[in-house]
Amino acid sequence: QSALTQPASVSGSPGQSITISCTGSSSDIGGYNYVSWYQQHPGKAPKLMIYDVIKRPSGVPNRFSGSKSGNTASLTISGLQAEDEADYYCNSYTSSSTYVFGTGTKVTVL
Amino acid sequence: EVQLVESGGGLVQPGGSLRLSCAASGFTFSSYWMHLIRQAPGKGLVWVSRINTDGSYTSYADSVKGRFTISRDNTKNTLYLQMNSLRAEDTAVYYCAKDLTGGHDSWGQGTLVTVSS
Repeated sequence: QSALTQPASVSGSPGQSITISCTGSSSDIGGYNYVSWYQQHPGKAPKLMIYDVIKRPSGVPNRFSGSKSGNTASLTISGLQAEDEADYYCNSYTSSSTYVFGTGTKVTVL
Repeated sequence: EVQLVESGGGLVQPGGSLRLSCAASGFTFSSYWMHLIRQAPGKGLVWVSRINTDGSYTSYADSVKGRFTISRDNTKNTLYLQMNSLRAEDTAVYYCAKDLTGGHDSWGQGTLVTVSS
């Protein structure tokens, strides 16, 4: 199972909105609504930000939102803040009854 | 508060074996599927394995199938990963994570496994 494809880096100024894409296939993202997104700061464990494509766990700011169209999922961060600077990974369930992560995106707040 | 604490990592020679443990607390362990995810130094996250609530169903990434075995002891609230025939490319921080339909909602702090001679 190949990793889902994410841009290596995305940047934005404080207050701006950015979107991170995650591209897979009909065997993963396109076939299931089991897409999740994780934020990881250096040296820390990942934190769940979005699950089931669009749902936000309690405690996650509503600045974070998820969506999906066909074989591509997206994470949008609105009103970018300095603490949002981190690595972000998408994840999807697959037709092989396994899961696959994306390649990861480094978000830089300018 | 959900807590997941991994242990058992360390330095092992290629071809060797290691057993990781993940002690769970703060939730009803026996009611949740559990996952293992790894991250090589400076690299991205890679899903490794998952197990259902009573241990009767497991699945694995192709890269570890036949070498790794996931199991659980619900009486001890503990998840295990038996790793055999270890290779240099298995070097990583190994995380256990609690399942949430469509995601993994709680993670441990990870334990580092280094495979080197």
